[in-house]
Amino acid sequence: DAGVIQSPRHEVTEMGQEVTLRCKPISGHNSLFWYRQTMMRGLELLIYFNNNVPIDDSGMPEDRFSAKMPNASFSTLKIQPSEPRDSAVYFCASSLAPGASNEQFFGPGTRLTVL
Amino acid sequence: RKEVEQDPGPFNVPEGATVAFNCTYSNSASQSFFWYRQDCRKEPKLLMSVYSSGNEDGRFTAQLNRASQYISLLIRDSKLSDSATYLCVVNRANTDKLIFGTGTRLQVFP
Repeated sequence: DAGVIQSPRHEVTEMGQEVTLRCKPISGHNSLFWYRQTMMRGLELLIYFNNNVPIDDSGMPEDRFSAKMPNASFSTLKIQPSEPRDSAVYFCASSLAPGASNEQFFGPGTRLTVL
Repeated sequence: RKEVEQDPGPFNVPEGATVAFNCTYSNSASQSFFWYRQDCRKEPKLLMSVYSSGNEDGRFTAQLNRASQYISLLIRDSKLSDSATYLCVVNRANTDKLIFGTGTRLQVFP
C-alpha cells in the first residue's frame, strides 16, 4: 500500500524564490496535516485540513506561507517569497478521520534549503 | 513553559539494557498521548499510544500519570535497532492538534 507521498524530497532554492511542496495523502484518509521540523523547535504543526477544508492555520508562520487542498488526494504548501530561516524539513501527514486519537501517518518529508 | 518537555539525551546504553524516558506535559485537560519513533533523516512513526491504565507492547511499556502530568516509556532488553529518537506526543486540549516534544535520542551500542 502506498503511504503518504511527498515531492520533491529535496529542494534547494535562493532567497526570494517561490517554493511549492506537494503531498498526496493515503487514499481514504480524511485529515491532512503539514508540519515543519527544525533542530531548534522540533516538529511544529503549520496547518491541518479535514475533508479538504482548512481547520486550523494558526501555526502558519506568516503570510508568506499558504496551503491548499483542492481535492481529497492532493495538497500543496507554498512559500513566497522564501527566506533562509524557512530552511527545514517539511512533513505532510494524514489520518483516517478527525480526532487527536487517530494515528497520523507521515510522508518522507521535503528537505528545504533556502540560500 | 513548553507544552511538552523531554530530556533530549542522548541516552547511550548497551544491548540488553533497560532504559526509561519521561516526558511532562503542561495542560491537564489533554486526553490523547502517544510515543512516536523517528529514525535519523526519516519520518516519525507511531510506536504506541499511551492509555490511562498503562500498556505494553512486547519489550515496550508506556505509562501515564495524570496527577503529575507525565508519560513514560520503558524499553527492556534493548536492541541495536532501537537506536532512534523517541518523540512524546500530546494533544492540545479540546483540539485535534498534536503537540510533539523535541525528542529523546537513544543510542544502543554492542
